[in-house]
Order: sequence, then structure tokens, then C-alpha cells
Amino acid sequence: GENVEQHPSTLSVQEGDSAVIKCTYSDSASNYFPWYKQELGKRPQLIIDIRSNVGEKKDQRIAVTLNKTAKHFSLHITETQPEDSAVYFCAASRAGSARQLTFGSGTQLTVLP
Amino acid sequence: DGGITQSPKYLFRKEGQNVTLSCEQNLNHDAMYWYRQDPGQGLRLIYYSQIVNDFQKGDIAEGYSVSREKKESFPLTVTSAQKNPTAFYLCASRTSGSNEQFFGPGTRLTVL
Repeated sequence: GENVEQHPSTLSVQEGDSAVIKCTYSDSASNYFPWYKQELGKRPQLIIDIRSNVGEKKDQRIAVTLNKTAKHFSLHITETQPEDSAVYFCAASRAGSARQLTFGSGTQLTVLP
Repeated sequence: DGGITQSPKYLFRKEGQNVTLSCEQNLNHDAMYWYRQDPGQGLRLIYYSQIVNDFQKGDIAEGYSVSREKKESFPLTVTSAQKNPTAFYLCASRTSGSNEQFFGPGTRLTVL
């Protein structure tokens, strides 16, 4: 089955700096890679996703890059703000199945004012 | 926060008791999922269902059971066979043709 590894587990940055979170996956058939943000005690919410036919996707201060050959993808947050502080999860899934998501273990991002 | 709801928000159970967690969605989504989240860990798939009256085991199904009698509802029963049930349980749903899963607010289960 799929295995997703996520690094780092914790990340502290100064407000205004950039943050990068990296994930690797094992199943070359995976073709959908979402990123979720979860605030303490709340539900995960999708912030950005990318499909395997695209190398990069950007939405305002958030971007995701995908390297299919190396089987890794990354989340980039620029101009970080205190409200970006949360746990971020990457995930991977295959098409044609029930599209089960396999999640990474999460990164606790803290943006210091 | 409408669309997909879970109840109760907090649930306490004595060892040896079965307990059922509710998940309801009014999004007309076909697929529904149950995940378990432990502190400092990612979400792990317990069960999923793509259509009514059909469901499949996920990665950690032992000690859990589900039913899907209605499209809108996917209840999860945590049985006494689940050795370490204390966790945060999240339900999600997805419409056919889309990859995106929408999550409910979660139920925090504590075994006393």
C-alpha cells in the first residue's frame, strides 16, 4: 500500500518568512496530492491540491510543487502570518479506486510574531 | 460549518461498552470515510463506503464496524474489541468525480 512520509514534524518561522514542508510517497500510481490545514481541535480543511499531470500550483501565498520522478511534493507558504500557525498534513491517493487518502504524520507550523 | 456533521462532539465510554458515532451529510455525496487521529499522528482510514449498502475496510478496521443504509448517514460503532479506542474520530465525504474530501468537525472519544 501507499506510504507517505512528511518532514519536518515541527517548524517555527518568523512572521513574514517562508515555510516549506516536504512529503514523499511510495506508490507511483498515486496521482492526487492534497494539503490540509488543521487548527487545534478543528476539522482538517483543504488548502491546496495538485494532480500528477501538473508540476506546480499556486494560490496566493501558498504553492505546491510535485516531482513525480522522485516521488515527492512540497508545500510552500510565503509571507507567513500568525494565523498560518496550525498542523499541516499532506496526503496521496490513486485515481480509479475509492480515492482513499493516505496521510503524512503532520507538521506543526508556528509563526512567531 | 454545515454540510457534514458529527455527533456528539465529546463522548465518554467505559471499558467493555460499544459506542456509536454519528456522521450525517446533506451534500449528496456518494462516498463517505471514517478516520482515526491520535496525538501527533496523521489520519488513519478505518472504513469507507462508495455507495449505499456497501463498505470496505481501511487500514485499521479491527474493533470497528459501520453501516450505510442511507446515502446521508455513515455511523461508526467502536466495539469492545478495539483495544485502544481513545482518539479523535473524523468523518469525511466526497462526491463522485471529485477527489476532494470534506471533513466533519470530529468526535473526541475517551474511554474511562
